Amino acid sequence: EAAVTQSPRSKVAVTGGKVTLSCHQTNNHDYMYWYRQDTGHGLRLIHYSYVADSTEKGDIPDGYKASRPSQENFSLILELASLSQTAVYFCASSRQISNERLFFGHGTKLSVL
Amino acid sequence: QQKVQQSPESLTVSEGAMASLNCTFSDGTSNNFRWYRQHSAKGLEVLVSIFSDGEKEEGRFTAHLNRANLHVSLHIREPQPSDSAVYLCAVGTGGYKVVFGSGTRLLVSP
Repeated sequence: EAAVTQSPRSKVAVTGGKVTLSCHQTNNHDYMYWYRQDTGHGLRLIHYSYVADSTEKGDIPDGYKASRPSQENFSLILELASLSQTAVYFCASSRQISNERLFFGHGTKLSVL
Repeated sequence: QQKVQQSPESLTVSEGAMASLNCTFSDGTSNNFRWYRQHSAKGLEVLVSIFSDGEKEEGRFTAHLNRANLHVSLHIREPQPSDSAVYLCAVGTGGYKVVFGSGTRLLVSP
C-alpha cells in the first residue's frame, strides 16, 4: 500500500515564527500536494508539485511557501506564522494529476499562539 | 468557481441500517468523483471512485452519480460502529482542481 508520512504530527508555534512541515512518500508518485483543513470547511489546496525542484500555487497559497527537493520529499513553510494559519495540514501524493485518487498522510495539527 | 456541498452535516444510524450521504456540486463539467473517509487523527482513505453516471460498488460502499442533477451520493450497507467517521466528497474537473465538501460526520450506534 502506498505510504505518505508527515512530520511532526502536531506542533505549537508562536506568532511570527517560522514553521516547516515535512512530507515523505514512498509511492514513487510524481505529484504531491499540501492541503489545509479547517472546521466547517473541506480541504483546500495550498501548493502542489509535479517534479523535483518545482512547485505550483494552489487555491490558497498566500502566507505559504513550498519546497520539493526530491521526488520523495515535499515541505510546507510558514515564514511568519499567524493565528489564522492554525489548522490541520495534509500532504498527499498521486501518480498523475488528473482523475487520480489521492494518497494522504495522517495530517499535522498546527496551533499558532 | 466549483461549490461542493454535503448533507447532512451529521448523521446517526443504528448498526446494520443503511446510511445515505449526499453531495451536490455546481460545475457540470466535473468528471471525477470520490468519497473519502476520515477517522479522527488519521488520514483520509478513499472508499469509492466514480466517473460516469450510474452506480459504483466497492464492498459495502456504493456511490450513485447523476451529473444532470449535479448530485452524487454514498450509501453504506450494514454500517458498523467502526464506520463512525467523517465522510468527504471530492469533485474534480481535471488537472489539479479537486474541490472537497466540508464533510458529513457519521455516528453508528451499536
